[in-house]
Amino acid sequence: DTEVTQTPKHLVMGMTNKKSLKCEQHMGHRAMYWYKQKAKKPPELMFVYSYEKLSINESVPSRFSPECPNSSLLNLHLHALQPEDSALYLCASSQYTGGETQYFGPGTRLLVL
Amino acid sequence: AQKITQTQPGMFVQEKEAVTLDCTYDTSDPSYGLFWYKQPSSGEMIFLIYQGSYDQQNATEGRYSLNFQKARKSANLVISASQLGDSAMYFCAMREGDTNAGKSTFGDGTTLTVKP
Repeated sequence: DTEVTQTPKHLVMGMTNKKSLKCEQHMGHRAMYWYKQKAKKPPELMFVYSYEKLSINESVPSRFSPECPNSSLLNLHLHALQPEDSALYLCASSQYTGGETQYFGPGTRLLVL
Repeated sequence: AQKITQTQPGMFVQEKEAVTLDCTYDTSDPSYGLFWYKQPSSGEMIFLIYQGSYDQQNATEGRYSLNFQKARKSANLVISASQLGDSAMYFCAMREGDTNAGKSTFGDGTTLTVKP
């Protein structure tokens, strides 16, 4: 099974709201990722977690706050977002942070009003 | 310099015909992996095929095959017997084994349209 799940599928929020995106995998992978993708563009890496520790932060604004409570779960906490943050947010996982295949979840489509 | 280049923004193919999507890459790391993903309009990024830099043979997965030419640094995706459901955006990606750990580099993508 190579399934990564994400909730919610769609999210509409105001600029003053606080919300969270959730991602889960049960493949025993030790690396998990958050990507942001704008329409018709490639995904842009935001964060990498390796063994539940943040290993890469691609200079993401602090209004995005990642959290990895355990090896299967990855959250992305959102606060005071801007309309330009509207995008598809993809979670992915891989065995480790080497050259292995990344498996992606279905994504959360976020609209910030 | 762009590490992954996909030169075809859009491609059309007739149903049941084969199509090749181009991808060239640039890396100095001897250990790397090349990947192709399919992204339908629903948004999910679906893994299709993987080629390792040390693999001697071209990867195949059902109707998908990867034409790996290491000296030319190209990793083209061949889809045989195209189906209407193959219409989607296709991304070529690379992961370098020992450098940039955890990062995947994606090309800009190719939108494939299969005509009935």
